[in-house]
Amino acid sequence: DVKVTQSSRYLVKRTGEKVFLECVQDMDHENMFWYRQDPGLGLRLIYFSYDVKMKEKGDIPEGYSVSREKKERFSLILESASTNQTSMYLCASSSPSGREDTQYFGPGTRLTVL
Amino acid sequence: QKEVEQNSGPLSVPEGAIASLNCTYSDRVSQSFFWYRQYSGKSPELIMSIYSNGDKEDGRFTAQLNKASQYVSLLIRDSQPSDSATYLCAVNLPASGNTGKLIFGQGTTLQVKP
Repeated sequence: DVKVTQSSRYLVKRTGEKVFLECVQDMDHENMFWYRQDPGLGLRLIYFSYDVKMKEKGDIPEGYSVSREKKERFSLILESASTNQTSMYLCASSSPSGREDTQYFGPGTRLTVL
Repeated sequence: QKEVEQNSGPLSVPEGAIASLNCTYSDRVSQSFFWYRQYSGKSPELIMSIYSNGDKEDGRFTAQLNKASQYVSLLIRDSQPSDSATYLCAVNLPASGNTGKLIFGQGTTLQVKP
């Protein structure tokens, strides 16, 4: 079974802090994604990566950056956390050579910025 | 125009009834279609994927795809209270190449009443 893990289930940070959210997958997937999910707004894509060191902006990249130094790990960075970044953050991975485009999600990190 | 549209609900059905969830999409060349279930506070989990026109059955779940009408649906037979969740429809984005991007609908909330 595909396993996607995220470093924290719950996280509380203060405004202005630098925040790292880590995601690791164990299925050798090429593609990895970061979403945020807010009530009434659905899943919104922040950034994605289709290969090591490759990244592309999603629909809402402002205030975020990402890092993919190794194939299995995709990190989301909030350079200076703000209260409007309080949200559920979901990581997902997929493989173009697997079941076509199926994305597998991690358990999510609920981030609160005070 | 939204790329993937779902009725947000809530859709309320009695226990044992058939629940019918619908989704329309705008990209005519999409090839991969997915239904995810998301319990409150949890991450989305894949229920079914469908790639060809027609029906695909898996236990109590049946996915139906009609590419000519750009319509995909999910039927849940013998609905149980444990089926109460939000159901997300997702469609691939062929223009994104091998990046594996999916477009998600906002989800339909299903309530199964005992």
